[in-house]
Amino acid sequence: GAGVSQTPSNKVTEKGKYVELRCDPISGHTALYWYRQSLGQGPEFLIYFQGTGAADDSGLPNDRFFAVRPEGSVSTLKIQRTERGDSAVYLCASSLMGSGGHETQYFGPGTRLLVL
Amino acid sequence: AQSVSQHNHHVILSEAASLELGCNYSYGGTVNLFWYVQYPGQHLQLLLKYFSGDPLVKGIKGFEAEFIKSKFSFNLRKPSVQWSDTAEYFCAVTPYSSASKIIFGSGTRLSIRP
Repeated sequence: GAGVSQTPSNKVTEKGKYVELRCDPISGHTALYWYRQSLGQGPEFLIYFQGTGAADDSGLPNDRFFAVRPEGSVSTLKIQRTERGDSAVYLCASSLMGSGGHETQYFGPGTRLLVL
Repeated sequence: AQSVSQHNHHVILSEAASLELGCNYSYGGTVNLFWYVQYPGQHLQLLLKYFSGDPLVKGIKGFEAEFIKSKFSFNLRKPSVQWSDTAEYFCAVTPYSSASKIIFGSGTRLSIRP
């Protein structure tokens, strides 16, 4: 079946604007994860959903970042008052049950965000 | 805090050369260990993983990694690389207590000369 998809693939915005990034997980996967990858770095964890609820949001850098998953499938990462330092590739991943590190997380292609 | 260190930022090899990419992690408890690979223009994908048991694990495309607990290391190896192995390689760990949060190293870019 289809893998994890993310839209848009690229997003250019101006400092101070609001952006939404969308993730469609693999069908049937209950766990969904957001990561952020800055240039020259590995992905950094942001938030993890188990079903509709955020099970761990300890990686969100500040209150400008927020994510939702209202129906337990598609998730939206929302960034308010964007700053140039938010420029990065935002990766989404999903796994079947989220029962821990014994599962494989499947990654999407990412959304490349550029804040001017 | 947990962390993962990858010693080489960029490795350049000729085809058929042997490969070893270093990875060390910092965490005092039980961990799960991974190597992910990102080929040019493609998604991040799992290369191999270690949960328990035999510390020598084999992955796809002839890669293997050895977990040495006393050294907190999980080095990736391949006896003979191919041009198609050109990619970015990430070592990663999930602490058992927060097993869903993957902590990645900064990555090693591997370039293979044909």
